[in-house]
Amino acid sequence: DAGVIQSPRHEVTEMGQEVTLRCKPISGHNSLFWYRQTMMRGLELLIYFNNNVPIDDSGMPEDRFSAKMPNASFSTLKIQPSEPRDSAVYFCASSGPEGTDTQYFGPGTRLTVL
Amino acid sequence: KQEVTQIPAALSVPEGENLVLNCSFTDSAIYNLQWFRQDPGKGLTSLLLIQSSQREQTSGRLNASLDKSSGRSTLYIAASQPGDSATYLCAALNRDDKIIFGKGTRLHILP
Repeated sequence: DAGVIQSPRHEVTEMGQEVTLRCKPISGHNSLFWYRQTMMRGLELLIYFNNNVPIDDSGMPEDRFSAKMPNASFSTLKIQPSEPRDSAVYFCASSGPEGTDTQYFGPGTRLTVL
Repeated sequence: KQEVTQIPAALSVPEGENLVLNCSFTDSAIYNLQWFRQDPGKGLTSLLLIQSSQREQTSGRLNASLDKSSGRSTLYIAASQPGDSATYLCAALNRDDKIIFGKGTRLHILP
């Protein structure tokens, strides 16, 4: 298996633009997690899905952030409009099947908002 | 290549006891070290973040220390409670922006 796939690997955009980050979890995994990594706050959980259903989005910073998982093999994290303080590395991770909790992380997307 | 090791892999202690979880890392050139709690089926919950310039952080009954020279971090839990039962992970953020996790310590607090 190719592991968790994220795209793009790097994204540079201007303030106010819409940004969409993509994730393909490992086939057969039923849980998907979005995290944000910054120097000041470390790794923070934004939202996670189980069987394509959002379970806990309490970590989503504000309404500008939204995440979807239309099927078991694809998820998106959208920021609209983007702001400079959104600059960070965004990680996607997947785990499963149920009972095996090891999370496998993707390589991350480095987002820079100018 | 950074390696993060957590000892013990599992721990059971009676309620009310203080306990220490250990984390060691091989490359001291880290940006920070972070402790997480993982509950079954849920995302990682950040407990404490120690920047490379810091030696410890405290939050409630939790205290984490960092000694870069020896490549060690400890998580101290005071007056343990059954609700503390979970898997605890430490992770080092390397200078190349890679996060390296330990395999975790499964903690069980006995009522």
